[in-house]
Amino acid sequence: QQQVKQSPQSLIVQKGGISIINCAYENTAFDYFPWYQQFPGKGPALLIAIRPDVSEKKEGRFTISFNKSAKQFSLHIMDSQPGDSATYFCAASTSGYALNFGKGTSLLVTP
Amino acid sequence: GAVVSQHPSRVICKSGTSVKIECRSLDFQATTMFWYRQFPKQSLMLMATSNEGSKATYEQGVEKDKFLINHASLTLSTLTVTSAHPEDSSFYICSASRLARTGELFFGEGSRLTVL
Repeated sequence: QQQVKQSPQSLIVQKGGISIINCAYENTAFDYFPWYQQFPGKGPALLIAIRPDVSEKKEGRFTISFNKSAKQFSLHIMDSQPGDSATYFCAASTSGYALNFGKGTSLLVTP
Repeated sequence: GAVVSQHPSRVICKSGTSVKIECRSLDFQATTMFWYRQFPKQSLMLMATSNEGSKATYEQGVEKDKFLINHASLTLSTLTVTSAHPEDSSFYICSASRLARTGELFFGEGSRLTVL
């Protein structure tokens, strides 16, 4: 049973554009929502994370928007670059416990 | 950020042999480590939770006798794939939590297992 649903499965964005990936969850006990970036053959790298007490968090070109009532959160990549081409995973957990991952979004940023 | 090291990064073995993968937290103590498995173009699936000094907790459908997990110290957890078969070929990734109960996990670089 997929506890975190992620969309789209794949995304193509032109350089300089905005990449948007969405995730939804059901378990209201989740209190930690990270996004990971994974390149082929590598382990996931933590990009940015948010907790339910804030609605938005920005770090450089990466922004998480969080809607607690809708149980949704999204990743926005501003000014997308070809180097951002990777697979992105959203995840959710109750602090101290294992992460539940979405199915991933394959992002391709074209020059 | 915190560093989690995995070794080996790639391993090829014959069917029926056992393979050990090590996961180390290099600059912090991890009372809990998690082992994930990832098939090509798929998400990470939690296999087991490894707690220092106690038995691992396995997810439903994961054979604990096949995937032996040992968390001997606060900085080392090992996954041993026993009597490996081609269907065990996968990308195995460990993760560790830097601070207790914050949820923030750091991942190793993964270990690619190919069973011939």
